[in-house]
Amino acid sequence: DTGVSQDPRHKITKRGQNVTFRCDPISEHNRLYWYRQTLGQGPEFLTYFQNEAQLEKSRLLSDRFSAERPKGSFSTLEIQRTEQGDSAMYLCASSLGWTGTLTNEKLFFGSGTQLSVL
Amino acid sequence: AQTVTQSQPEMSVQEAETVTLSCTYDTSENNYYLFWYKQPPSRQMILVIRQEAYKQQNATENRFSVNFQKAAKSFSLKISDSQLGDTAMYFCAFRGNEKLTFGTGTRLTIIP
Repeated sequence: DTGVSQDPRHKITKRGQNVTFRCDPISEHNRLYWYRQTLGQGPEFLTYFQNEAQLEKSRLLSDRFSAERPKGSFSTLEIQRTEQGDSAMYLCASSLGWTGTLTNEKLFFGSGTQLSVL
Repeated sequence: AQTVTQSQPEMSVQEAETVTLSCTYDTSENNYYLFWYKQPPSRQMILVIRQEAYKQQNATENRFSVNFQKAAKSFSLKISDSQLGDTAMYFCAFRGNEKLTFGTGTRLTIIP
């Protein structure tokens, strides 16, 4: 168990380019979350998956954003036609998922991908 | 929708002293969890402590403890015998149905 890993750690791109980030959760974890964090702010929820199913998307996730989790393992987050406002840290987290009558889980976070859009 | 408010953007305390970070939240749910996460300069989010809303007893983890006031919707974190390694951003987070909602954070600096 090596924890949640994200790739790349840093990404610098020009406005208008497409970028894709990858997240590898802890192997037995069913749930995978994407968050975005700008400097001086707390992480903001973007979307989450239960296995391969995307169950919820935040209004922050515009049409330029798409996330996938094929086969319920790793996940990718793609941003098309990047804008300067997309510059942020993109955090991935995973958890075991539903364990009883009330969701009772601990989220494990990756180290994030820092995106800079020039 | 749930909201989490941290009204102290920055705090500093001398090493070995005790410090309390404040957090309030708003929800209509009855069953939920509350968390404190630490984010050091490496930006790795680290779970410090968590509290189940249905438990009246306040959670403790070594030097970290919480004061959970459900009626007041307050969830403060107390750090005793503060250490230099405690310097970090601290985020309060609420979890109801499916996702964590974070506050804006408190930057804590431990002064040697």
